[in-house]
Amino acid sequence: GAVVSQHPSWVICKSGTSVKIECRSLDFQATTMFWYRQFPKQSLMLMATSNEGSKATYEQGVEKDKFLINHASLTLSTLTVTSAHPEDSSFYICSASSVDRVSNEAFFGQGTRLTVV
Amino acid sequence: AQSVTQLGSHVSVSEGALVLLRCNYSSSVPPYLFWYVQYPNQGLQLLLKYTSAATLVKGINGFEAEFKKSETSFHLTKPSAHMSDAAEYFCAVSHGGGSEKLVFGKGTKLTVNP
Repeated sequence: GAVVSQHPSWVICKSGTSVKIECRSLDFQATTMFWYRQFPKQSLMLMATSNEGSKATYEQGVEKDKFLINHASLTLSTLTVTSAHPEDSSFYICSASSVDRVSNEAFFGQGTRLTVV
Repeated sequence: AQSVTQLGSHVSVSEGALVLLRCNYSSSVPPYLFWYVQYPNQGLQLLLKYTSAATLVKGINGFEAEFKKSETSFHLTKPSAHMSDAAEYFCAVSHGGGSEKLVFGKGTKLTVNP
């Protein structure tokens, strides 16, 4: 399967600072990338969908000014958590897909554990 | 709207025993269905997917799932559990394939006892 690399795998930041998480498709061009959030012992909740070159589509209840998503190229999407607070601590996972791929499935990154102190 | 219900947040089996993880879905359009496995602090790995072809889908690591439209189910099975199967399993549904967003169930934690 295709490889999606997410960086960093874990990060600790102080309350009030911003954190950027990168999601890269290493061996295919990702026309669509998804960002999910997973609370401890819970399922993944979709935060937003981003298509290369256009604005991200956020799910209801997700603050677009707090969770900035950029999908500037076909291999890179970034999620920036602005003015992070302890309640933003969570596991963030990206996935990437391409309609050009025969398998037509989404491939997941390894996830980023964010801890805000 | 689509939704997924996974019955049983925890399932415990003995090594060598049958694994059965239940998933029921709700979808107003023909669904694409997926099973993913997640190991601690890691991303998700696709086990198998149903995309309207064969109703019995075989995946990796000896897992398989059967799509039953009449029961709106997509249960995951494995004839003989291995210790390495211990993980969290998620069932998911989408309108399309990978280009569409996934709606996940709450997950089932599988424990395999020696």
